[in-house]
Amino acid sequence: RKEVEQDPGPFNVPEGATVAFNCTYSNSASQSFFWYRQDCRKEPKLLMSVYSSGNEDGRFTAQLNRASQYISLLIRDSKLSDSATYLCVVFNQAGTALIFGKGTTLSVSS
Amino acid sequence: NAGVTQTPKFQVLKTGQSMTLQCAQDMNHEYMSWYRQDPGMGLRLIHYSVGAGITDQGEVPNGYNVSRSTTEDFPLRLLSAAPSQTSVYFCASSYEAPGGQGGGETQYFGPGTRLLVL
Repeated sequence: RKEVEQDPGPFNVPEGATVAFNCTYSNSASQSFFWYRQDCRKEPKLLMSVYSSGNEDGRFTAQLNRASQYISLLIRDSKLSDSATYLCVVFNQAGTALIFGKGTTLSVSS
Repeated sequence: NAGVTQTPKFQVLKTGQSMTLQCAQDMNHEYMSWYRQDPGMGLRLIHYSVGAGITDQGEVPNGYNVSRSTTEDFPLRLLSAAPSQTSVYFCASSYEAPGGQGGGETQYFGPGTRLLVL
């Protein structure tokens, strides 16, 4: 099982829609999880950290399910500007580096 | 602050040529790393450094060398370029290593270097 797995999509949704992405991880000892956002031909940027039971930031909600070893990202009221690739990230086994998933692509249309 | 800078932005090499990708940060970050990003493969860690004078290998280190003589700079050297090294290379830095308590998970990425090896 790969360390981090994501559905690559693409997810094509209209403005105002709610969309959710899932990510599974293999290291049951992982303590910290993150979502990064990457716009086309740009560098990744931290979107949210996900700790314990998850967290919310405006229209974005990240949740963690330790029993099933997955994290999710929920985007409510999608905007055109949300179109990007969303990367699921966990620490490596040694805790010395980040492991990135391959990303899920979201396209929001008007 | 300029953040993380990378040069060049684009580069075309012939097979067998060598070159150095430059990365610099002005945030006094201890941790720096290099990733390559290929279509369908995501970001893969090449090498990383937890401080000046300390480097270690990541997931895909073959064909690349690094050194960290100063806190600010972390150059990536391609010893003998191969077409398989055609990729987008990102340098990233953070206050400390990802497993630390000081926000190491917030990696600040440079704008990337697009490399084509013919």
